[in-house]
Amino acid sequence: KAGVTQTPRYLIKTRGQQVTLSCSPISGHRSVSWYQQTPGQGLQFLFEYFSETQRNKGNFPGRFSGRQFSNSRSEMNVSTLELGDSALYLCASSPTRSSYEQYFGPGTRLTVT
Amino acid sequence: AQKVTQAQTEISVVEKEDVTLDCVYETRDTTYYLFWYKQPPSGELVFLIRRNSFDEQNEISGRYSWNFQKSTSSFNFTITASQVVDSAVYFCALLLAGGTSYGKLTFGQGTILTVHP
Repeated sequence: KAGVTQTPRYLIKTRGQQVTLSCSPISGHRSVSWYQQTPGQGLQFLFEYFSETQRNKGNFPGRFSGRQFSNSRSEMNVSTLELGDSALYLCASSPTRSSYEQYFGPGTRLTVT
Repeated sequence: AQKVTQAQTEISVVEKEDVTLDCVYETRDTTYYLFWYKQPPSGELVFLIRRNSFDEQNEISGRYSWNFQKSTSSFNFTITASQVVDSAVYFCALLLAGGTSYGKLTFGQGTILTVHP
């Protein structure tokens, strides 16, 4: 089985722009979670999607949003980028919400200049 | 709120030494899961182990072993006979069962392990 894939792997954006990151879960997995990793704050939960609905959300401003499609692929969007949004964004997939397993993708490294 | 603490920020050892990474967690929930992940320089988080709160059996997998003690809220990870390829950042994480906690891992700050040849 292919693992979790994330595109693009690297991205450079300018402050004020918006960005969309994509995550394709492991085949058959229906839950997708997103995390932000920064040197200062570590790994922080952004949100979780299941059956095309956001089920859980972390403490991030409304500039961070996401969605999930019927094939379980997920996208996250960050609008009005700030320098502090520079981070590694990791996506994790899980077979179901109650399986308590999370398999991570390679991440998208976003740099905001 | 739950919390995971990894006391060691960095550990440096010489190849073939044994090394233990400490993890202490806080939660009021009685049902939860604990994880260890490895993050090599490539950035991907590699799953190593998951234990649930009702299973305090220690586990050994090759050179890796885990010691889960509910009485001290600790879930420590030992690498026996370390190798250079073990160099990475290691994260301990906590996942509460059910309710609003699905999919929400709480991570420790990570321990950078460097194994020198």
